[in-house]
Amino acid sequence: DAMVIQNPRYQVTQFGKPVTLSCSQTLNHNVMYWYQQKSSQAPKLLFHYYDKDFNNEADTPDNFQSRRPNTSFCFLDIRSPGLGDAAMYLCATSRDTGANVLTFGAGSRLTVL
Amino acid sequence: GQNIDQPTEMTATEGAIVQINCTYQTSGFNGLFWYQQHAGEAPTFLSYNVLDGLEEKGRFSSFLSRSKGYSYLLLKELQMKDSASYLCATMDSNYQLIWGAGTKLIIKP
Repeated sequence: DAMVIQNPRYQVTQFGKPVTLSCSQTLNHNVMYWYQQKSSQAPKLLFHYYDKDFNNEADTPDNFQSRRPNTSFCFLDIRSPGLGDAAMYLCATSRDTGANVLTFGAGSRLTVL
Repeated sequence: GQNIDQPTEMTATEGAIVQINCTYQTSGFNGLFWYQQHAGEAPTFLSYNVLDGLEEKGRFSSFLSRSKGYSYLLLKELQMKDSASYLCATMDSNYQLIWGAGTKLIIKP
């Protein structure tokens, strides 16, 4: 089945230790998104790519970086995780920009000790 | 500013009907989405409305009034598996999604 796969599902890291979360998709969608979601809060958009064009949200901290080496894969790098970065990180795709439905991966839950 | 409001939590009984409301203020409007999110899982798409009126899809229906900046999600014949958060999101004039914080729906037997 075509889908969006995130790894790892659960990540535990120590304060300040870099983390990389990955996302792959078999939908051949042009757009890939990274969202941060804390408990009982709205998803917060960190970045999105239209193909290889990178779009950074204005309030995304510099601590967060992203890479999209090809259509299928996208990575979220957290350079120095703080306690406030503990959250669910959701990868999503859409066929195009505009009023397209997002298909989400299962998420990566990050715990920072 | 852009804003989405929906109740934080609702409780309903198995087999009953529940309506989850969403009001919004956005810069322009290119449609409204409802997503379902079970605890610890990713959101899944339920419905999209861009024109006024009611869209029915099985046990779930979604309504939109653009003039009132208002939508609701109607769930009929509630089942225990419907216990989840329901997220309302609008798309503004730049096709940016503005998300609500979600309504946690608790179903009781």
